[in-house]
Amino acid sequence: GAVVSQHPSWVICKSGTSVKIECRSLDFQATTMFWYRQFPKQSLMLMATSNEGSKATYEQGVEKDKFLINHASLTLSTLTVTSAHPEDSSFYICSARGGGKSNQPQHFGDGTRLSIL
Amino acid sequence: AQTVTQSQPEMSVQEAETVTLSCTYDTSESDYYLFWYKQPPSRQMILVIRQEAYKQQNATENRFSVNFQKAAKSFSLKISDSQLGDAAMYFCARGGSRLTFGEGTQLTVNP
Repeated sequence: GAVVSQHPSWVICKSGTSVKIECRSLDFQATTMFWYRQFPKQSLMLMATSNEGSKATYEQGVEKDKFLINHASLTLSTLTVTSAHPEDSSFYICSARGGGKSNQPQHFGDGTRLSIL
Repeated sequence: AQTVTQSQPEMSVQEAETVTLSCTYDTSESDYYLFWYKQPPSRQMILVIRQEAYKQQNATENRFSVNFQKAAKSFSLKISDSQLGDAAMYFCARGGSRLTFGEGTQLTVNP
């Protein structure tokens, strides 16, 4: 149980294009979803937290207009990197948490490797 | 800032031996949760074990156990009978409304 599917797993695109990454909870309802960014050999950096039906809460330093997050249903959240540039190249991971209690663990997707040429 | 510190960037262990990964954290909250996640080369984040701060008993999951010292704000992970498949990056994390991760410890298991 507690499977999170993230798609695509790898995307390469030209500078200036927008890229959408999907995160789905397959067998549970995700009250809260999280988006992280991870650079090679570094830890996960939280970008934003989203609750179903609400606007996402972004961490300090994360551009809201660059990284658009939508959490329209209890099983789907999307991250859109708008007008992507090479510096946006990174590994992006989503996670989902069910229920209303913060002691519930986050279940992670397999990540998306984004390469901007 | 409420931080999580893993002081061992790299660790190695012989297959079948035991290894302990260290983690300390800082928090002003009285109710919080602690996790260890494993990230193998595939980069998938896998929950290894979790501990609720109000529980004094140390959590155990098969070969994995923790030594939770609340007063010292310490949360170490012990892996017994290490296997080749245990090789990965291990992240300690403190949770509440959000997770704060440590910098990770790269574990190598030698055959």
